[in-house]
This record gives sequence, structure tokens and C-alpha cells, in this order.
Amino acid sequence: NAGVMQNPRHLVRRRGQEARLRCSPMKGHSHVYWYRQLPEEGLKFMVYLQKENIIDESGMPKERFSAEFPKEGPSILRIQQVVRGDSAAYFCASSPADEAFFGQGTRLTVV
Amino acid sequence: SQQGEEDPQALSIQEGENATMNCSYKTSINNLQWYRQNSGRGLVHLILIRSNEREKHSGRLRVTLDTSKKSSSLLITASRAADTASYFCATDTGRRALTFGSGTRLQVQP
Repeated sequence: NAGVMQNPRHLVRRRGQEARLRCSPMKGHSHVYWYRQLPEEGLKFMVYLQKENIIDESGMPKERFSAEFPKEGPSILRIQQVVRGDSAAYFCASSPADEAFFGQGTRLTVV
Repeated sequence: SQQGEEDPQALSIQEGENATMNCSYKTSINNLQWYRQNSGRGLVHLILIRSNEREKHSGRLRVTLDTSKKSSSLLITASRAADTASYFCATDTGRRALTFGSGTRLQVQP
């Protein structure tokens, strides 16, 4: 059973471009969470999804950010028109219940 | 301020010594979890303690929870150089989403 898989591991985008981050949860896990981590800080919750449903997006910026978890395929975190402040590590986690299993993250650098 | 706050922010000890990290939080919780993060890597789940539990052990790890003080501690006994990492507490208030503290950076000197 592979762990939570995120890709790409590293992503460089110019200001104004779009960033797409992918997360495949562990087999059998139907809950997916996205978190953002700035350097030297803890993780900040962004969004919680189940298949085809956004359950809690209270941590997600209202503009430029969107997330989906389709019936088939990975969960996608999409950032439109990226700015330098979007540079961070983005982590995905999945869980069957209480314990969350994290992926290795995608490190987004906006230049 | 954050739901979870770790103390100290940084800790440097010698191999073989014990390391204690503390976490305080503000609101009622369902459970509290501790994670480890090696530099530039993902998070590894260490231990989960529920609100009705007071102490839990896993190998060289011991976690306590005091819900009256809204605090938890993580003790790593007989530390090793490989324990060098950042340690985060995270609280689940029932929303399922975790709220993380800013972490304790542990350096174990060989």
C-alpha cells in the first residue's frame, strides 16, 4: 500500500502562471486535506475534501485558489495567477478516520 | 495566536539525554497528535492521544495530555542523532482538519 503520493515534488512558476498540485491518497482513504507550510513555520490548514465534495475550505484564500477531488483520479490544488507570496511547501494528507498520513509535499517556488 | 504552540522553539541536547517538548492549545479538542518533520521532508505521524487519555507510550516516546491545562508534552528518552528534526503538535477539534503549532526544532549532538 503506497503512501500518500504528491507530484510534482518541486514546481517553479513565473508570476502570473498557474500551478497545479496533485495528490493521490492512500488506498481506501476517502478524506483528503491540503495544508501549506511557510519556511520555519507549522502547517496551515487550507481545505478538506471527500470524493466530489468540498467539506471545509475555511483555510483557503477566496481568490485564485481552488481544490477538487474527483470521483476518479487524484485531488488537485490549483493556484491561478501565482504571486511570490504563494511560494511554500504544500502538503496533502489522507485519512480513514482520525490519524492523518502526509505526503512528501510539493515545494512551489514563484519567480 | 495559534491553537497549538510548542515550547521551546529550539532545543539542543547530547545523544543519550532526554528531550521534552511542550504544546499548549486554546479550545476543546477531540485528540492531539504529534508529528516529526525532517528538514525538507514530509511529516511522519508519531502518536495520537485522545481527550479522555492522560498518557500514552510508543517505544522511546511518551506523550501526556492535561485537558484542564490544555497542554501536552512529548518526551523522547535516550535520544539519538537520528531524532534531529522538527516536532509539531496538532489538535483536532472535531472539524477533522488539524491545527498545527509552529514546532520545536530538536538538535541531538552525537
